[in-house]
Amino acid sequence: EAGVTQFPSHSVIEKGQTVTLRCDPISGHDNLYWYRRVMGKEIKFLLHFVKESKQDESGMPNNRFLAERTGGTYSTLKVQPAELEDSGVYFCASSRSAQETQYFGPGTRLLVL
Amino acid sequence: QKEVEQDPGPLSVPEGAIVSLNCTYSNSAFQYFMWYRQYSRKGPELLMYTYSSGNKEDGRFTAQVDKSSKYISLFIRDSQPSDSATYLCAMKNGNNRLAFGKGNQVVVIP
Repeated sequence: EAGVTQFPSHSVIEKGQTVTLRCDPISGHDNLYWYRRVMGKEIKFLLHFVKESKQDESGMPNNRFLAERTGGTYSTLKVQPAELEDSGVYFCASSRSAQETQYFGPGTRLLVL
Repeated sequence: QKEVEQDPGPLSVPEGAIVSLNCTYSNSAFQYFMWYRQYSRKGPELLMYTYSSGNKEDGRFTAQVDKSSKYISLFIRDSQPSDSATYLCAMKNGNNRLAFGKGNQVVVIP
């Protein structure tokens, strides 16, 4: 069974540009989560999808971040326009049900210059 | 006050030693407690999961939870070089957002 995959693995962009991160969850996992780790801080929750619906987006830092999950399969996280403080590692996780183990992808390392 | 506190200091131990890691938390609503292991350039992977006070063993790993003190621990017995990784505590309440500690980088020296 393939694990959670994320693309790209790394992204370097300039302040003000737009970046779109993609996450493909494990097949059959209805629940998809986005987390972020900025340097020196702990991993923090951003939002939770159940299928294509946003169950909890209370961790989204501001309206420059837009997450979508069309058709309840893969998800994208767009940052527009990117700011310096958006640099960090963005993790995606998925689980079959909300109570089950969350499996993490390898993360996307974003650097905003 | 942070929800989860984990002293992020690195830890180097000789092979065969016992590794002891711990976290404290402030949110008494947390019901589920986890330890994740993260190798370099990889995502966190679940190592231990428990939801009650007491000890849970899995091979060389023991997770301990003390809800009255809001304190959790992970012990690794007979540590191996392959145990070298970052260990993150995580916890959640009835919703499904995980709250993580900062992590401890553990190096087991052969």
